Amino acid sequence: DAGVTQSPTHLIKTRGQQVTLRCSPKSGHDTVSWYQQALGQGPQFIFQYYEEEERQRGNFPDRFSGHQFPNYSSELNVNALLLGDSALYLCASSQGGNYGYTFGSGTRLTVV
Amino acid sequence: KQEVTQIPAALSVPEGENLVLNCSFTDSAIYNLQWFRQDPGKGLTSLLLIQSSQREQTSGRLNASLDKSSGRSTLYIAASQPGDSATYLCALTGGGNKLTFGTGTQLKVEL
Repeated sequence: DAGVTQSPTHLIKTRGQQVTLRCSPKSGHDTVSWYQQALGQGPQFIFQYYEEEERQRGNFPDRFSGHQFPNYSSELNVNALLLGDSALYLCASSQGGNYGYTFGSGTRLTVV
Repeated sequence: KQEVTQIPAALSVPEGENLVLNCSFTDSAIYNLQWFRQDPGKGLTSLLLIQSSQREQTSGRLNASLDKSSGRSTLYIAASQPGDSATYLCALTGGGNKLTFGTGTQLKVEL
């Protein structure tokens, strides 16, 4: 049973560029959430998608946007990259919220 | 706004020792509490999920408890091993299903 799959695993981008990260949820899960984890910090909630719509959003600027596809997979897009966007980006999937979350291995984004 | 604190921030113990990691939170109106393990540069591995109607969960050498009235959860690790070395994170879901994380406890188990 495949868990949550994220791609790519590592990415280096230049300031001002745009990036797209991808996530395939665990089989049977219909909800996808994205988190940003800076070094030495706990993950911070970016947003959550359910039924192809953004259901909840954390305190992140509009440069961060996302999408969920009919097969429940999801993308995170970040425009106009800043040095401060360098972090580990984690995708989590769930079946509702009462049964816990399964995380992927993350995408390490470095902005130079 | 929910705030989650984990104490201690770092812990070093000899192999075989039993240990307790602490997690405290400010808003007792939570749905679930989940403990995760994170190895350096890696994703999160779920260890235990305590749903709001439960008080504890056990898996192997791990036991997690939840006391919503006092805003506390503990993760007990029995007979620690070097392979337990990692960062341990607690996270809560409240209204809206998003997870709110603590900053973690970095555990090192030495031979």
